[in-house]
Amino acid sequence: EPEVTQTPSHQVTQMGQEVILRCVPISNHLYFYWYRQILGQKVEFLVSFYNNEISEKSEIFDDQFSVERPDGSNFTLKIRSTKLEDSAMYFCASSYRQGSYGYTFGSGTRLTVV
Amino acid sequence: AQTVTQSQPEMSVQEAETVTLSCTYDTSESDYYLFWYKQPPSRQMILVIRQEAYKQQNATENRFSVNFQKAAKSFSLKISDSQLGDAAMYFCACLDNTDKLIFGTGTRLQVFP
Repeated sequence: EPEVTQTPSHQVTQMGQEVILRCVPISNHLYFYWYRQILGQKVEFLVSFYNNEISEKSEIFDDQFSVERPDGSNFTLKIRSTKLEDSAMYFCASSYRQGSYGYTFGSGTRLTVV
Repeated sequence: AQTVTQSQPEMSVQEAETVTLSCTYDTSESDYYLFWYKQPPSRQMILVIRQEAYKQQNATENRFSVNFQKAAKSFSLKISDSQLGDAAMYFCACLDNTDKLIFGTGTRLQVFP
């Protein structure tokens, strides 16, 4: 069964550093998403992406965050200057149509900011 | 704004028994979609079941079924013949009209042999 692949599975970074979280969505999917889950809390929407541009973004997705689909296969989330409160599990997801059939999520990247 | 509420932080069930996880939601949309996702210890989010709000028939996927009460805005998940592998966090979610999922806070399900 096709999968959404995320790398790395765990990343530790120092506060103030830039991180890039990488995702390879399912190949024929057109809609892409990032969500995050702070430990012990609910899963929160960050951003959706379609046709090479952001469709929606949440209040969390401020100027420190950016997304890119640089080569038609990868979908990346960049955090420019990490803060301690950015420590969370970050999930990438994709879908062929808009999410009414449910997205396929990746297995997540655990980001730890120290 | 849409909200999703899961009032049971933890539930437990004995293997082979049936358990029901509760979820209520609030939306002003007339057409929407509801989901249950499972998050095992590996932390991956796995789609369990989906329900289209305009369909009255309750969705079923093998041992998993929902009780969708649109007027009451209730969307509970029933797991029949529970297995040890069903132990996980279960999240109820509603898709809003901007194509984003709004999640509840989750219910941790323990399954005892």
